Amino acid sequence: QVQLVQSGSELKKPGASVKVSCKASGYTFTNYAMNWVRQAPGQGLEWMGWINTNTGNPTYAQGFTGRFVFSLDTSVSTTYLQISSLKAEDTAVYYCARDRFNLDYWGQGSLVTVSS
Amino acid sequence: QSVLTQPPSASGTPGQRVTISCSGSSSNIGNNIISWYQQLPGTAPKLLIYSNNQRPSGVPDRFSGSKSGASASLAISGLQSEDEADYYCAAWGDSLNGRVFGGGTKLTVL
Repeated sequence: QVQLVQSGSELKKPGASVKVSCKASGYTFTNYAMNWVRQAPGQGLEWMGWINTNTGNPTYAQGFTGRFVFSLDTSVSTTYLQISSLKAEDTAVYYCARDRFNLDYWGQGSLVTVSS
Repeated sequence: QSVLTQPPSASGTPGQRVTISCSGSSSNIGNNIISWYQQLPGTAPKLLIYSNNQRPSGVPDRFSGSKSGASASLAISGLQSEDEADYYCAAWGDSLNGRVFGGGTKLTVL
């Protein structure tokens, strides 16, 4: 069965970096793009962008350029989200979601808390 | 402020039919397919409706979707307590916005 398993919660200080992983199983990894979605505490879903799992080419939504980097390692069917120069407002749950026209499977979410 | 507009809340009693609207523009809903996601408390979102009105395997037929022009609706008939959740619409937008979500509707079963 399709599964997306994300890395655990992280507590980081402002200015630090964090790398969240999303390991896929149960399907051919390169047949589907992977999206990233942010959900701040008590807020709605916000699309961050996607990565082409064939070419590794990332596309970032407005507001997610510069400090946010999508990457992947096809040998372990894993995509990554790295956020640098963390700010308090980056505190959120980050989801990966498989994409072929729709986000049909989602990871369980990774909570990133930024606090001094 | 979300690109797609949803009412922040909706409610109904068990057995009732409720609808949740999602309003956009020709840049998103008007020219692209829409999907709906259900997020139960404390869990990840789940695909509920895709391609405007299709249900993934396992989604009860109590859930239905429709689209007309630049607006869409999610209908839930025979409301059950386990339907209490946040519901989000989504569509592809223009090249500037990419995929866009509605702000979400919190459904309360009274």
